[in-house]
Amino acid sequence: QKEVEQNSGPLSVPEGAIASLNCTYSDRGSQSFFWYRQYSGKSPELIMFIYSNGDKEDGRFTAQLNKASQYVSLLIRDSQPSDSATYLCAVVAGGTSYGKLTFGQGTILTVHP
Amino acid sequence: EAGVTQFPSHSVIEKGQTVTLRCDPISGHDNLYWYRRVMGKEIKFLLHFVKESKQDESGMPNNRFLAERTGGTYSTLKVQPAELEDSGVYFCASSHLRHTNTGELFFGEGSRLTVL
Repeated sequence: QKEVEQNSGPLSVPEGAIASLNCTYSDRGSQSFFWYRQYSGKSPELIMFIYSNGDKEDGRFTAQLNKASQYVSLLIRDSQPSDSATYLCAVVAGGTSYGKLTFGQGTILTVHP
Repeated sequence: EAGVTQFPSHSVIEKGQTVTLRCDPISGHDNLYWYRRVMGKEIKFLLHFVKESKQDESGMPNNRFLAERTGGTYSTLKVQPAELEDSGVYFCASSHLRHTNTGELFFGEGSRLTVL
């Protein structure tokens, strides 16, 4: 079992729709959860982080965390073609330093006009 | 403010040769990390420097890999001798000490290594 699992996609949504990206993790002691966005050939860029159960909203992005189900998701409202990228879920395992991220393989999102 | 810069962007070498990758973190960032993504796999942690000291090198695959950060500024990652399985994209990331406990890393665009 992979430590962090994501559907590789591609996930295709029409412009203006809600894109839902999902991630599960195996280490129940994981403490911090991150979503990075990576455009092709570019650097991963942090877009959201969440530490506590529940929802966290930032503009069009909402991160949701359910530690009991070991599940974290990212919702993108009013999706735009510029949101087309690979979205990486990353987790900090319990007892490790915060910079030691464990990544999923990433979900490719395509937003079509 | 300049971001994390990495050099070279792409290196093609033959098996058995040596390659040195360089990372310049964002100015003032004492935390520096190396990650790599092997084809078809997820990005994986290699090691973490705090200034010039290795804080965690648990992800280094073997002793063919040597990372240094003399003076606590830029870092180099040397692979010697390179093997086919070392091919991939090597990412460098940095963060300020105040973000050590937040996990907010700033990544470079990566150095793609191809070993033939």
